[in-house]
Amino acid sequence: DIQMTQSPSTLSASVGDRVTITCRASQTISTWLAWYQQKPGKSPKLLIYKVSTLNVGVPSRFSGSGSGTEFTLTISSLQPDDFGTYYCQQYNTQWTFGQGTKVEIK
Amino acid sequence: QVQLVESGGGVVQPGRSLRLSCVASGFNFNIYGMYWVRQTPGKGLEWVAVMSYDGTTKYYADSVKGRFTISRDNSKNTLYLQMSSLRADDTAEYYCAKDRIVGGITVIDDWGQGTLVTVSS
Repeated sequence: DIQMTQSPSTLSASVGDRVTITCRASQTISTWLAWYQQKPGKSPKLLIYKVSTLNVGVPSRFSGSGSGTEFTLTISSLQPDDFGTYYCQQYNTQWTFGQGTKVEIK
Repeated sequence: QVQLVESGGGVVQPGRSLRLSCVASGFNFNIYGMYWVRQTPGKGLEWVAVMSYDGTTKYYADSVKGRFTISRDNSKNTLYLQMSSLRADDTAEYYCAKDRIVGGITVIDDWGQGTLVTVSS
């Protein structure tokens, strides 16, 4: 099984800050990597797929990069609506999620 | 817009069975792969099962293989998850979800609101 490890587990940042979340796969997954945002009491929402392709309607302040086993999600200028938990997911071999990164607004 | 509405969750004793349903609307259900994903506070998000648009391809997580069965009725725009031999560690919020690509099994796009399954004596 492919394991996905995210860091940090929690981060607290101010509005306007640049925020980066890292996701590491236990083996290469090529570019089959997605990012989801989940708010409390809601279902996850697809932000990015194939490492860097923004889903329809996702603000351009979100971006993704990486390949192989190392990937990042960047929010260029954190907004109040960006609070929540972010999950990476590989879909190279079945589907596996990272444990999540909780983003709090200072 | 896409709507996925799960039902069938509840409290069930260990060893018993339960069937979840997911009614889809707002898109052509017949041409999309569909998933079940579950979530617990402790284990996070876990993919459970996936079925191709035509039902010919199914995959299961090792944790549920042999106990859970995914199926669909395209005439009713409905996805099912038959769960048997339930265990305490199957307790979770169960989400129905849709693939992003027509005809494919790739990445999960839209999600339902979830239905809670609690396995307890």
